[in-house]
Amino acid sequence: DAGITQSPRHKVTETGTPVTLRCHQTENHRYMYWYRQDPGHGLRLIHYSYGVKDTDKGEVSDGYSVSRSKTEDFLLTLESATSSQTSVYFCAISGAGQGGDYGYTFGSGTRLTVV
Amino acid sequence: AQTVTQSQPEMSVQEAETVTLSCTYDTSESNYYLFWYKQPPSRQMILVIRQEAYKQQNATENRFSVNFQKAAKSFSLKISDSQLGDTAMYFCAFMKYNNNDMRFGAGTRLTVKP
Repeated sequence: DAGITQSPRHKVTETGTPVTLRCHQTENHRYMYWYRQDPGHGLRLIHYSYGVKDTDKGEVSDGYSVSRSKTEDFLLTLESATSSQTSVYFCAISGAGQGGDYGYTFGSGTRLTVV
Repeated sequence: AQTVTQSQPEMSVQEAETVTLSCTYDTSESNYYLFWYKQPPSRQMILVIRQEAYKQQNATENRFSVNFQKAAKSFSLKISDSQLGDTAMYFCAFMKYNNNDMRFGAGTRLTVKP
């Protein structure tokens, strides 16, 4: 399997609390992505990174921030979690060609429940 | 913005038979990529097959093949000799050339029955 891991795998948190999800890769890939998966919507891009300290917004970025201080780590933070952010979160990586050549490799996902 | 539509929320097929999953997309781009991903109950997203829009030849990977109709903006997935392990959610995805936003359809839940 590709070297990409997400932590935690499951998390339950309370409304209004900050939450950070971690994505770690050992492939030295330049591009990293955070998606959320919701029924009826497939996967939607939250933020992505094209290098250390280089990030950009995706389709559903409101309420989320990201950081990438090292090539191997990409963090997703919910500053103040809301129930609408209950979802399954996937991290993905891609190497040369920005993912078009080989598609993305996904982590195993984090199921986040905000109560 | 690009949109991807999977019009079949659920499908079922008997083991060893053939099934086709539909996908249509909307774009004004001429260069792009199309993908099918499989998500079994383990939740892992697995790339099944990819197609480059400039290639007229349909992609094939073992029992999986696509019917790519560029003019119709259609990208269907055919699974031959269905196996129980093919039971999963299947997502169609689109990505513009030289872009970082892969767009996914809502998915089709496929059940292979013994």
